[in-house]
Amino acid sequence: DSGVTQTPKHLITATGQRVTLRCSPRSGDLSVYWYQQSLDQGLQFLIQYYNGEERAKGNILERFSAQQFPDLHSELNLSSLELGDSALYFCASSQTGARATNEKLFFGSGTQLSVL
Amino acid sequence: GESVGLHLPTLSVQEGDNSIINCAYSNSASDYFIWYKQESGKGPQFIIDIRSNMDKRQGQRVTVLLNKTVKHLSLQIAATQPGDSAVYFCAENIRGYSTLTFGKGTMLLVSP
Repeated sequence: DSGVTQTPKHLITATGQRVTLRCSPRSGDLSVYWYQQSLDQGLQFLIQYYNGEERAKGNILERFSAQQFPDLHSELNLSSLELGDSALYFCASSQTGARATNEKLFFGSGTQLSVL
Repeated sequence: GESVGLHLPTLSVQEGDNSIINCAYSNSASDYFIWYKQESGKGPQFIIDIRSNMDKRQGQRVTVLLNKTVKHLSLQIAATQPGDSAVYFCAENIRGYSTLTFGKGTMLLVSP
């Protein structure tokens, strides 16, 4: 158990809908990362938050957004869903998420999103 | 853009054999590397890491080798067990960035 909690484990929805994925980082970790994993693209970095502020942005679509709350949990919002958004979405956390600190990331078990 | 890549998508070995999983990276500014193991239905799990000022690092049954000259990383698993069956990812951290870039992954299949 990595200590990172993600809910829900599975999500089935229809095209055009909006969903929210939730993540609680390990105790003491201030930084949260969201990754998308699909069969053809592997693990793709979406976005990183540190102590409530956006720190880094990757290949995140404009239809997707995230935030980190004062209690440090994070939510990833996916809207106007398309079939191609079906994937595993992982949350990870690290202690500071600072540059040049060479921190390892600890991953949750993921949310499997199926868009029908 | 530059990315981390893997040579072999699937590696099949017998129980007890030593396994070697390879990874090539192209960004010379990468200064930190991690190997992750992902079992079915689970998230990536940290195995071992290495900084660019090192060539080799050993853990329990695992060794990571880093060759900066040819930008190559390998994970060696000694006495491979069926429980080692999983997808293995290498990931790199580029100096000055706070995120990890992952390779595509290698599936390791261990037969009893």
